[in-house]
Amino acid sequence: DAKTTQPTSMDCAEGRAANLPCNHSTISGNEYVYWYRQIHSQGPQYIIHGLKNNETNEMASLIITEDRKSSTLILPHATLRDTAVYYCIVRVAGYLRNLEIHLWWVISGTYKYIFGTGTRLKVLA
Amino acid sequence: DTAVSQTPKYLVTQMGNDKSIKCEQNLGHDTMYWYKQDSKKFLKIMFSYNNKELIINETVPNRFSPKSPDKAHLNLHINSLELGDSAVYFCASSQDKYRSSYEQYFGPGTRLTVT
Repeated sequence: DAKTTQPTSMDCAEGRAANLPCNHSTISGNEYVYWYRQIHSQGPQYIIHGLKNNETNEMASLIITEDRKSSTLILPHATLRDTAVYYCIVRVAGYLRNLEIHLWWVISGTYKYIFGTGTRLKVLA
Repeated sequence: DTAVSQTPKYLVTQMGNDKSIKCEQNLGHDTMYWYKQDSKKFLKIMFSYNNKELIINETVPNRFSPKSPDKAHLNLHINSLELGDSAVYFCASSQDKYRSSYEQYFGPGTRLTVT
């Protein structure tokens, strides 16, 4: 089950900032928040991730509230090519089959994502 | 150079057939994944392999069998295909070894249509 909730869709004018909210009220202290996007007919693309502090890279900024129960992805100057479905994901611990694999997993750090339904962002000309 | 590639891009087949989808990554990553995206666009993990060992195995029918001949390849074999298997299947990979960022790199997807 997805651990995040996002609005189904949003519109944004080209050149304006797009602010995409995400609620993750059950997030654990060691779980990261990741953002991906999926442009039509393509594979998901990594955007940014964070734990507690706000983060910025060449694509976007991530603002995480102090209680970590929600976050906002900011695309500072949206373009038509930013039209996509944006997924907010909490990185969940890997699936364990038995104790041996559990110990090995702790060392190797394999994780899985649980994707929600995402927000369909439409950038308007 | 394509980081994560999948073949074929489109696959149309009849019920009951057996088919395979291939995935290769040239990123030197240790972990590879298979995801299924259904008609409602919901993306769900199926399997994860790390250094050729199965790590994540979600509740997927045993008609689906992943095979990892080496850590750069993770193929998905599907036996006795059913209509409900129609979906887009994405392969992904990630680096793994004490790094704080485990972003996954996704392939372009394989659209499987079972008739």
